[in-house]
Amino acid sequence: NAGVTQTPKFQVLKTGQSMTLQCAQDMNHNSMYWYRQDPGMGLRLIYYSASEGTTDKGEVPNGYNVSRLNKREFSLRLESAAPSQTSVYFCASSARAYNEQFFGPGTRLTVL
Amino acid sequence: GESVGLHLPTLSVQEGDNSIINCAYSNSASDYFIWYKQESGKGPQFIIDIRSNMDKRQGQRVTVLLNKTVKHLSLQIAATQPGDSAVYFCAEILPSNDYKLSFGAGTTVTVRA
Repeated sequence: NAGVTQTPKFQVLKTGQSMTLQCAQDMNHNSMYWYRQDPGMGLRLIYYSASEGTTDKGEVPNGYNVSRLNKREFSLRLESAAPSQTSVYFCASSARAYNEQFFGPGTRLTVL
Repeated sequence: GESVGLHLPTLSVQEGDNSIINCAYSNSASDYFIWYKQESGKGPQFIIDIRSNMDKRQGQRVTVLLNKTVKHLSLQIAATQPGDSAVYFCAEILPSNDYKLSFGAGTTVTVRA
């Protein structure tokens, strides 16, 4: 039981490049989330998926897209990376929207 | 924007002493609160939660207190250990916000040997 896994762990991009961050959970959770964490700040919600087949914007969705591929997987895509997107990205999942969330180890992204 | 906040960004504690980390929230409709611990280079880890129909909940070496009158919650860690050094976040869920978690900025706890 790996919990929430994320790939890659580290990534460096040039401005304008695209990439997809992958997230998977093996806890049979319905809800999944993507957050970003910047120095000295709490986590800010980018997008979430309350259940398979649905996605909704969070607090800071601009510049990102998501896909809930199936119940296990929830990916985050940067279509044209910008330096302002340099951050640590965390994926999380919860059994339902009103439960505690379990977090992955994070992806450290640097955009040059 | 943020609706939860922590009183102090840093806390230095002597090993063996008790730690108290405070958090204030602004929305009286918040009805579920969670404390997370984040160690360097890792994702947040669930510590303990409390719902608004309770004012105290205890776990292993941790206690969360909720004061709805002044919209304040605290996390108490008994007999603080070096492994407790981390950033601690409080988070709230608002039913009116589609049950999304809203995080505070965090308190960095450093345990002195």
